[in-house]
Amino acid sequence: TQLLEQSPQFLSIQEGENLTVYCNSSSVFSSLQWYRQEPGEGPVLLVTVVTGGEVKKLKRLTFQFGDARKDSSLHITAAQPGDTGLYLCAGHPSGTYKYIFGTGTRLKVLA
Amino acid sequence: KAGVTQTPRYLIKTRGQQVTLSCSPISGHRSVSWYQQTPGQGLQFLFEYFSETQRNKGNFPGRFSGRQFSNSRSEMNVSTLELGDSALYLCASSFFGGSYEQYFGPGTRLTVT
Repeated sequence: TQLLEQSPQFLSIQEGENLTVYCNSSSVFSSLQWYRQEPGEGPVLLVTVVTGGEVKKLKRLTFQFGDARKDSSLHITAAQPGDTGLYLCAGHPSGTYKYIFGTGTRLKVLA
Repeated sequence: KAGVTQTPRYLIKTRGQQVTLSCSPISGHRSVSWYQQTPGQGLQFLFEYFSETQRNKGNFPGRFSGRQFSNSRSEMNVSTLELGDSALYLCASSFFGGSYEQYFGPGTRLTVT
């Protein structure tokens, strides 16, 4: 079974703190996407990483794809209450048509 | 470009009934995937349609079915509803056929009583 394990599962931090969310698998992925979902809404695509070792920045968010394309991380600098939500990694394991989602990280940023 | 739309947004049904949910993908996208999201199980893949053909199917019972029309719009149907079917049903469209980036609709919140 191909799984994407995310850690931590829950995270509650104060505004201004930094945090990192991890997404790990034993499978190689053609690419990985990160989404953020707010309650009652669909996930919104944040970024796609394709190349092993790739780093992408989106304002205060930094995304990294592992060299072996089996893992990824999301780092948020100086978190704000607007960053609150469910963060999901997802990807397409190489050689399959399947698209699988990570277990999710629920982030709450307190003002 | 208009996003993915889903109708209805909210639905209340009684156990044993059936329900049909609709999804209109982003213009030009040929793939539509359906997911069930519950607090306990997270986001679970139901099935994917690409050019009117079901290409992938998740581990759900046969009560869950879907189809895609020639204009890429998709419907999913759940027959003989059970209490455990209460969930947020999400539709996502993709240009490359379920791979890579998916663009989600707002979801249909189904409550089975």
